[in-house]
Amino acid sequence: AQKVTQAQTEISVVEKEDVTLDCVYETRDTTYYLFWYKQPPSGELVFLIRRNSFDEQNEISGRYSWNFQKSTSSFNFTITASQVVDSAVYFCALRYTGNQFYFGTGTSLTVIP
Amino acid sequence: GAVVSQHPSRVICKSGTSVKIECRSLDFQATTMFWYRQFPKKSLMLMATSNEGSKATYEQGVEKDKFLINHASLTLSTLTVTSAHPEDSSFYICSASRDTGELFFGEGSRLTVL
Repeated sequence: AQKVTQAQTEISVVEKEDVTLDCVYETRDTTYYLFWYKQPPSGELVFLIRRNSFDEQNEISGRYSWNFQKSTSSFNFTITASQVVDSAVYFCALRYTGNQFYFGTGTSLTVIP
Repeated sequence: GAVVSQHPSRVICKSGTSVKIECRSLDFQATTMFWYRQFPKKSLMLMATSNEGSKATYEQGVEKDKFLINHASLTLSTLTVTSAHPEDSSFYICSASRDTGELFFGEGSRLTVL
């Protein structure tokens, strides 16, 4: 069965702190894609990153970085020097056969000024 | 970049009426679109896969007669909530996949049934 677990339901940090959002996935497919999306209070889903199962290189984009480890089936997301605008719900998702997505339950991040 | 647009973004209706939500891919053709439902503070649950020119594929537990999906063209899919009830109130999100494999989401439509 496909499954995405985001164990952290809510996180609060003070502005400028670093924060890591955890994502653990489960799949029997050898080819799959992992995603992170941001959902601000307005509701739309904002694409952050896509990673395929054959590419374990970590990626950095500005204050965002992602750590993909197949050995532990994890795809964690770190925000460095957090800002109030980072406050949102973040979803990790697994895409498998047929373009279907399986979303984690989301982590609500609050950055306190 | 590619954009998927949903309309309306918010709709309030009376119990028993039907509501139609549109999902359009603005600058690419999408043979497949997906409809999700999100309850407050919950994850997105896939409702159905909408295929252009054929019947939608519904996930287990989703009522086909309650949630009618039509994918009449390569850029438009519609979700009609028939005989809406307060428990149908939710945030509905569509997504569309372009040929690069990237999936784009609409802005979502918040339905409130009184």
